[in-house]
Amino acid sequence: QVELQESGPGLVKASRTLSLTCTVSGDSISRGFYYWTWIRQRPGKGLEWIGYVYHGGTTNYNTSLKSRVTISADTSNNQFSLNLSSVTEADTAVYFCARVATAIDWGRGTLVTVSS
Amino acid sequence: EVVLTQSPATLSLSPGERATLSCRASQNINNYLAWYQQKPGQAPRLLIYDASNRATGIPARFSGSGSGTDFTLTISSLEPEDFAVYYCQQRSSWPLTFGGGTKVEIK
Repeated sequence: QVELQESGPGLVKASRTLSLTCTVSGDSISRGFYYWTWIRQRPGKGLEWIGYVYHGGTTNYNTSLKSRVTISADTSNNQFSLNLSSVTEADTAVYFCARVATAIDWGRGTLVTVSS
Repeated sequence: EVVLTQSPATLSLSPGERATLSCRASQNINNYLAWYQQKPGQAPRLLIYDASNRATGIPARFSGSGSGTDFTLTISSLEPEDFAVYYCQQRSSWPLTFGGGTKVEIK
C-alpha cells in the first residue's frame, strides 16, 4: 500500500517560490510504470494537474504553468519535489502529490496560502 | 487537451434514491476514465477506474459505464455518506484532466 505525504511551508509571500516535497513509502519512485505527480485544487474549485516526474527524470508540465514549474526526484530519499516560482494569490491552493498510472493514488494534500 | 464536462453541476436527492452522473469528453478517450468522490477537507477517493471497474473496497451500489466520449456514474441507492462531490478524470492523453465536478446534496 503506497503512502504519500506532502510537506513544506503553509504560507508563501507573493513573488517568491513555493517549494513542496512528497515523501513516498510503500513503493520506489525509481521504479518505472508510475508517474509521480503534483495536482492542485484552488479554494472551492476543481482539480488541476501541475506535472510529473517519471523514471529517469523525465518531466512533463501543464502548459499554463510550464514557465514557472520544476518537478524533480530525489531517489536516495524516495522523495519528489515541486517548485513553483513567482507565485501570486492565484496560486493559493491545496497541493496534492500523487502516484499516477491506471488511477491516482493521492497524498492527503497540504494547503499553501500566498500572501501579498 | 481533453475537456471533460460533467452534468449536472448539482444533484439534489434523498437517501435511498438513485443518482446518475454524467461525464462527457471532448474527444474519444476509449475507456480511460476514472471517477472519484471527494468530501470537504479530504483527498479524492477512487471509486471507478477504466470506466467500469470498481476500486478495492468500493460498495457495489457504485457502478460506472460508457466508452468513447460519454460516461456515467450510477449510485443505485444513496447512503448518507454518499453526499459529496464527484469528479471524473481521463488518462487517455496528457495533460491529465478532470471534470468540473457534480455535487450530490441532500434534498
